[in-house]
Amino acid sequence: ETGVTQTPRHLVMGMTNKKSLKCEQHLGHNAMYWYKQSAKKPLELMFVYSLEERVENNSVPSRFSPECPNSSHLFLHLHTLQPEDSALYLCASSQDFAGLAGANVLTFGAGSRLTVL
Amino acid sequence: GENVEQHPSTLSVQEGDSAVIKCTYSDSASNYFPWYKQELGKGPQLIIDIRSNVGEKKDQRIAVTLNKTAKHFSLHITETQPEDSAVYFCAARNTGNQFYFGTGTSLTVIP
Repeated sequence: ETGVTQTPRHLVMGMTNKKSLKCEQHLGHNAMYWYKQSAKKPLELMFVYSLEERVENNSVPSRFSPECPNSSHLFLHLHTLQPEDSALYLCASSQDFAGLAGANVLTFGAGSRLTVL
Repeated sequence: GENVEQHPSTLSVQEGDSAVIKCTYSDSASNYFPWYKQELGKGPQLIIDIRSNVGEKKDQRIAVTLNKTAKHFSLHITETQPEDSAVYFCAARNTGNQFYFGTGTSLTVIP
């Protein structure tokens, strides 16, 4: 496998469920990101991890909980979500978070399409 | 913070014609401007980028221009082909290393 892999590709859950999204990168990158993509809106940065440490948290509700156990894996744990949380959740990675422009070029996964009923 | 606006939201062109997508940004300190192409069912893929010390960059049929004074940058696709049909996103990176994205342009190339 190469690039950034996200699972599951589609997820339907009720508001009381607990589920997790998984992201794995095979690029040897040091930074990983979660973005939310909603129709007609810009991509919203949710979380950034650099060398397994969280460096950005853009006022995301606590019902979204990230986990980065190592530099290759990133999870997004979901619980008690709302219907407005339905969106495409994109994982991305980059060589580094800071530094020269070429170092934090983002490579995206295909996304996990989440529907909250 | 940075604010990126992208126009148009939809664009249809005949195969072989050129397509131009424009973005403006608000933070004059932003220093890096990538363009992403997102095909149906896939994640965004980087197609071209430009740094703030460069005015134009070209890669085969794709070019990007940057006007720092006016704070706008544009994507130019020449000799469009049906496989160019996708959603295109511009982005600007600020000095905090955070990317701000436009709302996307849905390009349809009509055979």
